[in-house]
Amino acid sequence: GAVVSQHPSWVICKSGTSVKIECRSLDFQATTMFWYRQFPKQSLMLMATSNEGSKATYEQGVEKDKFLINHASLTLSTLTVTSAHPEDSSFYICSASPQGGRQPQHFGDGTRLSIL
Amino acid sequence: RKEVEQDPGPFNVPEGATVAFNCTYSNSASQSFFWYRQDCRKEPKLLMSVYSSGNEDGRFTAQLNRASQYISLLIRDSKLSDSATYLCVVLGGKLIFGQGTELSVKP
Repeated sequence: GAVVSQHPSWVICKSGTSVKIECRSLDFQATTMFWYRQFPKQSLMLMATSNEGSKATYEQGVEKDKFLINHASLTLSTLTVTSAHPEDSSFYICSASPQGGRQPQHFGDGTRLSIL
Repeated sequence: RKEVEQDPGPFNVPEGATVAFNCTYSNSASQSFFWYRQDCRKEPKLLMSVYSSGNEDGRFTAQLNRASQYISLLIRDSKLSDSATYLCVVLGGKLIFGQGTELSVKP
């Protein structure tokens, strides 16, 4: 079945560091990928929709200069948290589907980001 | 009001119990509905889609009432391995997740 790989799975960094998270579709091409964030005991919140070859679409309240998204190939999207601060500590998850935005979406394993 | 609201948890039940989760959504134009399962510190995984006619998958039964904008999930004969957080998810342009209801099945 469709597999989405996310890397790294856990990051601990000092405040001010920029962190890059990769999301790869391993056995299918994904023109669209989605990035979510989940704080403890809260729901997954869509941050942005990553579109291959064009700019990402950000949800309201998500700073595009803070969360840089690059979708340069059909199998890879990256999310860079720039100048991360403790409040950016969260669980970041990507999803993709061979059918674009349709279900079922296949989720990466998630990246747990801890900023000290 | 949240777009997708679920029963507050946690639900602590003994093995073999039947447990029901409820969910309401606010956007009447929502197109599709799902239940996901999320284990602690892991990614969510699709459990089942929810159809207006109701659908069953083994011990799991999902129901949708569009008029009331209400979704349910029933788990029969619960197992220890059912312990997880159950997420109600609604698709209307994008996936909108409820905050989840935690289930803990005890021996």
